[in-house]
Amino acid sequence: AQSVSQHNHHVILSEAASLELGCNYSYGGTVNLFWYVQYPGQHLQLLLKYFSGDPLVKGIKGFEAEFIKSKFSFNLRKPSVQWSDTAEYFCAVNARGDYKLSFGAGTTVTVRA
Amino acid sequence: EAQVTQNPRYLITVTGKKLTVTCSQNMNHEYMSWYRQDPGLGLRQIYYSMNVEVTDKGDVPEGYKVSRKEKRNFPLILESPSPNQTSLYFCASSWGGTSGANVLTFGAGSRLTVL
Repeated sequence: AQSVSQHNHHVILSEAASLELGCNYSYGGTVNLFWYVQYPGQHLQLLLKYFSGDPLVKGIKGFEAEFIKSKFSFNLRKPSVQWSDTAEYFCAVNARGDYKLSFGAGTTVTVRA
Repeated sequence: EAQVTQNPRYLITVTGKKLTVTCSQNMNHEYMSWYRQDPGLGLRQIYYSMNVEVTDKGDVPEGYKVSRKEKRNFPLILESPSPNQTSLYFCASSWGGTSGANVLTFGAGSRLTVL
């Protein structure tokens, strides 16, 4: 079974700073990769996903993530954060052909105005 | 509006008193799943269903039951709740398939406290 590690539990930064959240998974086969976001008081929603093709994927609100197969990583980035990016971010992985989706523990991002 | 609806949103109950958290989706999704979210542990899957009458255990199924008698509904049943089931619960659904199974639409969450 796959597992997902998110390196940071809580990240605090100022507006306009750059953000990078680490995500590593343990599974040797083909995977689907996701980042979900939970804004305060809102539902979890999909931020971006990777199934195949270009390993650099772009999502909503200026976020992007890069899949590095050799490092089993799928790090999330945003060049310049806004106060509205304050949220909890979850990395998730499933093995291709498996319905089971494994989530990381989540990273809380607080952006100070 | 396409959505997943959970009820109740908040519930305080006592140990041993059976309860059901309902989940309904209006997107004709085949796949439905229940998760619990606990601080520092992320989301852990309790049960999932690939279609009507097809359910399977996730990572933490102990103490829970589910049923899928209709495509739109996937209730979570706690037959005898215990304090360690105090948590935030999410229902989610998707179209299914080996890739599409996991582009999930989530409900708003149900916060359950068991005293």
